Amino acid sequence: AQSVTQPDIHITVSEGASLELRCNYSYGATPYLFWYVQSPGQGLQLLLKYFSGDTLVQGIKGFEAEFKRSQSSFNLRKPSVHWSDAAEYFCAVTLSGGYNKLIFGAGTRLAVHP
Amino acid sequence: DTGVSQNPRHKITKRGQNVTFRCDPISEHNRLYWYRQTLGQGPEFLTYFQNEAQLEKSRLLSDRFSAERPKGSFSTLEIQRTEQGDSAMYLCASSLRERNTEAFFGQGTRLTVV
Repeated sequence: AQSVTQPDIHITVSEGASLELRCNYSYGATPYLFWYVQSPGQGLQLLLKYFSGDTLVQGIKGFEAEFKRSQSSFNLRKPSVHWSDAAEYFCAVTLSGGYNKLIFGAGTRLAVHP
Repeated sequence: DTGVSQNPRHKITKRGQNVTFRCDPISEHNRLYWYRQTLGQGPEFLTYFQNEAQLEKSRLLSDRFSAERPKGSFSTLEIQRTEQGDSAMYLCASSLRERNTEAFFGQGTRLTVV
């Protein structure tokens, strides 16, 4: 069965520090990959997506992610975290060429210390 | 605002009552999805419409749940005889039918069953 694993439930970083959030997927076919961010009580905002091509993708708010097929990973990175980045981050996959039935990970909650 | 709109944002109901939520997708989007998110978890897929046709339903969608999209525009999700386990955030998303497009999420309806 398809699944998405986000190994880190909580991460705390200092403002200005770099960030990497991990995501591993189990999917038989070529997946489409997404990172969404959710602020408390809010819906999901798309940070970035990977469909094909360059495996390093740039997103909004200074985030980037790298698709590594050999490791079944799609880790999210940011070189310098801002206090406003504190939120919950979800990795998601869907079948390429299909509709957007997204399979989400359990999320990583990011706290930012001043 | 041309994003996905969900109403109400919050709903408190007594166990056993029926509730109905509404989702207005982005106007040109012909695909519409419902997800459920419980505390500390990622969203889980409930159902998917292409225009007015409901093309997939998750096993999570018990007989007490029904969703409609009568004219291929807005959608409603009804829960009959609510149970405390139905307490969750219900998220709606929409997308275009074309390949390589992402889903856009509404802000969700938070249901509390007391």
